[in-house]
Amino acid sequence: DAGITQSPRHKVTETGTPVTLRCHQTENHRYMYWYRQDPGHGLRLIHYSYGVKDTDKGEVSDGYSVSRSKTEDFLLTLESATSSQTSVYFCATYRQSSGYTFGSGTRLTVV
Amino acid sequence: DAKTTQPTSMDCAEGRAANLPCNHSTISGNEYVYWYRQIHSQGPQYIIHGLKNNETNEMASLIITEDRKSSTLILPHATLRDTAVYYCIVTADGGSQGNLIFGKGTKLSVKP
Repeated sequence: DAGITQSPRHKVTETGTPVTLRCHQTENHRYMYWYRQDPGHGLRLIHYSYGVKDTDKGEVSDGYSVSRSKTEDFLLTLESATSSQTSVYFCATYRQSSGYTFGSGTRLTVV
Repeated sequence: DAKTTQPTSMDCAEGRAANLPCNHSTISGNEYVYWYRQIHSQGPQYIIHGLKNNETNEMASLIITEDRKSSTLILPHATLRDTAVYYCIVTADGGSQGNLIFGKGTKLSVKP
């Protein structure tokens, strides 16, 4: 979607290294989310934010942290990447009139 | 949020209407029916949602039965680009808490 940009689109990193994924939105949405998608598990919520500096944990938050210092940016950090965090990561925003809008995803491989 | 049941897969001929069913027999009075789809390797895409009345937008129509225990998503003239996994989700708050459960969905294959 043109309103959400995820970066990078692809990343390969080594076990134990820190990784930060960025989500940028241009439509002033209050709510932002990070999901991961793995075969057999569907989409699982990692963290979400309901405003600047307001975040909460999702279903699979262990090993991840987030920050939202500006409305438009929501950062997901893997403090010390593990192979189990190899996944496709989606950022999303929410509007009551039209539900979720998802970004194009970041494919992360931890080797 | 109420649970939904969808067929695992469906085929549809290009140009024909695709009718995707969803059962949600335990739906509560304040729960909406949302439909999303996910085209291979892309993020899920919102299609349509409704509470009890039928809804139509530029992408699809949503028909909800009078008892609200089931619904049908209709793509009026399916194209090859409509090949995707379609998710029916029932939720009271639209998922603002990030708690949408996407389930396994229906894999729709549109064939020439």
